[in-house]
Amino acid sequence: ETGVTQTPRHLVMGMTNKKSLKCEQHLGHNAMYWYKQSAKKPLELMFVYSLEERVENNSVPSRFSPECPNSSHLFLHLHTLQPEDSALYLCASSQGFAGGAFSRTEAFFGQGTRLTVV
Amino acid sequence: AQSVTQLGSHVSVSEGALVLLRCNYSSSVPPYLFWYVQYPNQGLQLLLKYTSAATLVKGINGFEAEFKKSETSFHLTKPSAHMSDAAEYFCAVYSPQGGKLIFGQGTELSVKP
Repeated sequence: ETGVTQTPRHLVMGMTNKKSLKCEQHLGHNAMYWYKQSAKKPLELMFVYSLEERVENNSVPSRFSPECPNSSHLFLHLHTLQPEDSALYLCASSQGFAGGAFSRTEAFFGQGTRLTVV
Repeated sequence: AQSVTQLGSHVSVSEGALVLLRCNYSSSVPPYLFWYVQYPNQGLQLLLKYTSAATLVKGINGFEAEFKKSETSFHLTKPSAHMSDAAEYFCAVYSPQGGKLIFGQGTELSVKP
């Protein structure tokens, strides 16, 4: 148990559905991340939030919409996805985002949500 | 810009044999480097990290890694493989631009009895 909890663990959705992934951390961290892990590809950073503000969006399609209502919760809203969006979506958190303080800690990952788009 | 390259997408060793997983990095600033392990259907778990202290870093489960600036490498080793070490291993470098981890493509480790 890393202190980062993702729900659901598995999700199957149609291309016209709307669903949300949830991530919760109880570590007191001030930065949260969404990563996408596809088969045979490196982990792809999708979004970074620091102090509840989005600081990076790596050209992710608009069918993925993140939300960070507070420092403990992060959501990824999904709508009109494509089959190629099927992947493992990982949430992570860390403390000390700014000023190189990241070096004093590491990112803690949740167990991921296995998403299948049919 | 920071990047990492893991040599070999798949490594197979016998139980009890030496494990060596290779990672080379590119960084315009002194790097912070990490090794993560991912067991099937799980998230990533930190094995060890290098943050400019000792060049030989010891991690969990008997793993260690040595930072070699001259070779821009941060290879992961374990003297004796165990069946439970079978997993995917990721090398990562911290990028101060955006405060994010840049991951390598991963190396799948298989351990044969």
